[in-house]
Amino acid sequence: SAVISQKPSRDICQRGTSLTIQCQVDSQVTMMFWYRQQPGQSLTLIATANQGSEATYESGFVIDKFPISRPNLTFSTLTVSNMSPEDSSIYLCSVLLERAGQFFGPGTRLTVL
Amino acid sequence: GQNIDQPTEMTATEGAIVQINCTYQTSGFNGLFWYQQHAGEAPTFLSYNVLDGLEEKGRFSSFLSRSKGYSYLLLKELQMKDSASYLCAVRPSYSGAGSYQLTFGKGTKLSVIP
Repeated sequence: SAVISQKPSRDICQRGTSLTIQCQVDSQVTMMFWYRQQPGQSLTLIATANQGSEATYESGFVIDKFPISRPNLTFSTLTVSNMSPEDSSIYLCSVLLERAGQFFGPGTRLTVL
Repeated sequence: GQNIDQPTEMTATEGAIVQINCTYQTSGFNGLFWYQQHAGEAPTFLSYNVLDGLEEKGRFSSFLSRSKGYSYLLLKELQMKDSASYLCAVRPSYSGAGSYQLTFGKGTKLSVIP
């Protein structure tokens, strides 16, 4: 498996501000993803973070709202921009290890007031 | 589109065996995952099936039938700490657009009672 850490673990933010979430993996991985889990819901993929190129966004998610960086094979950031209360959610970083499975970080619990 | 169905809730007794079913209809298939998620925590990887049959890992086993679009997670010798949500997730075929996304079911909340 992989050891995945996220910062911050939780935050409370004001409407209209932005928050950047960091994800660090203890080994080089090709596939990194960002998911969202809203209260009482299952996980929804936001985007695939591609190293050296723009992220691939899923339907309903756009780069202006959720800019993603992937400067190398062990690190990625997700920014939640111009936040509203509807963005209150848990944001999870995930990595895929071929033949081993897909693993999730501990998550960042975001509350927007 | 993608559709994954699993029961919303189940209750079982400590020490017993419980089977959580998952059926899926997806555009292609490239693996099925089971995750355990305790309240307020991130999902924890349990198993990965890509071929038909049973994969056993200690008290947990996972079964897959690709022709039937069906999987189950079997938990034996249930313990109180097994009370959690169990998520079934399918990876459709590689789309060629750089996306290996997992599609998740809504999860089955398992309550283990004494």
